[in-house]
Amino acid sequence: EAQVTQNPRYLITVTGKKLTVTCSQNMNHEYMSWYRQDPGLGLRQIYYSMNVEATDKGDVPEGYKVSRKEKRNFPLILESPSPNQTSLYFCASSGGPGQGYYEQYFGPGTRLTVT
Amino acid sequence: AQSVTQLDSHVSVSEGTPVLLRCNYSSSYSPSLFWYVQHPNKGLQLLLKYTSAATLVKGINGFEAEFKKSETSFHLTKPSAHMSDAAEYFCVVIDASGGSYIPTFGRGTSLIVHP
Repeated sequence: EAQVTQNPRYLITVTGKKLTVTCSQNMNHEYMSWYRQDPGLGLRQIYYSMNVEATDKGDVPEGYKVSRKEKRNFPLILESPSPNQTSLYFCASSGGPGQGYYEQYFGPGTRLTVT
Repeated sequence: AQSVTQLDSHVSVSEGTPVLLRCNYSSSYSPSLFWYVQHPNKGLQLLLKYTSAATLVKGINGFEAEFKKSETSFHLTKPSAHMSDAAEYFCVVIDASGGSYIPTFGRGTSLIVHP
């Protein structure tokens, strides 16, 4: 089954404790991205990756890091989480040009609470 | 620069009546436009997309949308609402003219369906 998986689905942590949210897709997609969803703000892109070792900032990258060492994985790293990073996070992937480039497949979401 | 405005934060309909969710966009080039649906506690799922082909686009679950360049609109419609349509809907624009593939999401419209 074609899917995007995220782990963990729920996470409660404390300010300053480094964490990683994993994202993996099994569709051989080139393009992957991370979003955060906050009430009344819709989804905002944090980082995206056009392919392995190619990442770039989205609209709200401050406080986040990503890496793309393998095509299927795109982890999101919070080096020193703060309460304003409490949010619902989504990973998404899509194929390259000519392959439904903009049709994104979303993971189920990770609800993060930072106290 | 691109932007998208969903004109209603909430839309309430009775089961069996038509659905209209409004979306206006701003784009400096020929945009790609999408509607996504998010059911409670789920990730986003693509409903339909416009990528400069036919202006009337049909999607899944009986939804369709019409791209109107003169009105810069991409409203989502369905002839007859079903209880299972109750969800959050997002209009998305991507303007790749500048080489950027960062999508802009609307803030979402919550569709409420009454029996």
